[in-house]
Amino acid sequence: NAGVTQTPKFQVLKTGQSMTLQCAQDMNHEYMSWYRQDPGMGLRLIHYSVGAGITDQGEVPNGYNVSRSTTEDFPLRLLSAAPSQTSVYFCASSSNREKLFFGSGTQLSVL
Amino acid sequence: AQRVTQPEKLLSVFKGAPVELKCNYSYSGSPELFWYVQYSRQRLQLLLRHISRESIKGFTADLNKGETSFHLKKPFAQEEDSAMYYCALQTGANNLFFGTGTRLTVIP
Repeated sequence: NAGVTQTPKFQVLKTGQSMTLQCAQDMNHEYMSWYRQDPGMGLRLIHYSVGAGITDQGEVPNGYNVSRSTTEDFPLRLLSAAPSQTSVYFCASSSNREKLFFGSGTQLSVL
Repeated sequence: AQRVTQPEKLLSVFKGAPVELKCNYSYSGSPELFWYVQYSRQRLQLLLRHISRESIKGFTADLNKGETSFHLKKPFAQEEDSAMYYCALQTGANNLFFGTGTRLTVIP
């Protein structure tokens, strides 16, 4: 039981490049979400999903796309990376309203 | 709209001293509040939630609806308590809104 797995752990992009941050969970959780963590700003919700085929926007969705084709996977796509997207990204999942399980994070730098 | 405020970015206390990490919230609905902790090189994890009224690692937090606060307290700080602490408010659809965090350092 690996929990929530994020890949890659580190990534450097040039402005304008695209990439996908992967997130997978093996706990059969319906709810999954993406956060970004920035100094002095805490964690901010980007997108979330309450089940396969259902996604919605969080606090800071601009510049990011998500999809949820399976219960296990919830990838986050950056279509055209910008320096403002330099951050640490966390994926999380939950089976109820009581506890979020977090991944280990992806540190992204956009030059 | 919901809002979570943690007024202290940094907090340092001596080992054995009491510690209180402040959290205030703003939310029009019935609040569900949590404290999450991130130890060095570890994942963010749940510390405690108000609805369970439990004590975890000696920490407690009481929801005060009159003052809209959910402060985290521990009577005697330990070095292993040094970490980043986040207060979080849960709204509909399981979404958690986090404060900006407080970095606690316990001085030996």
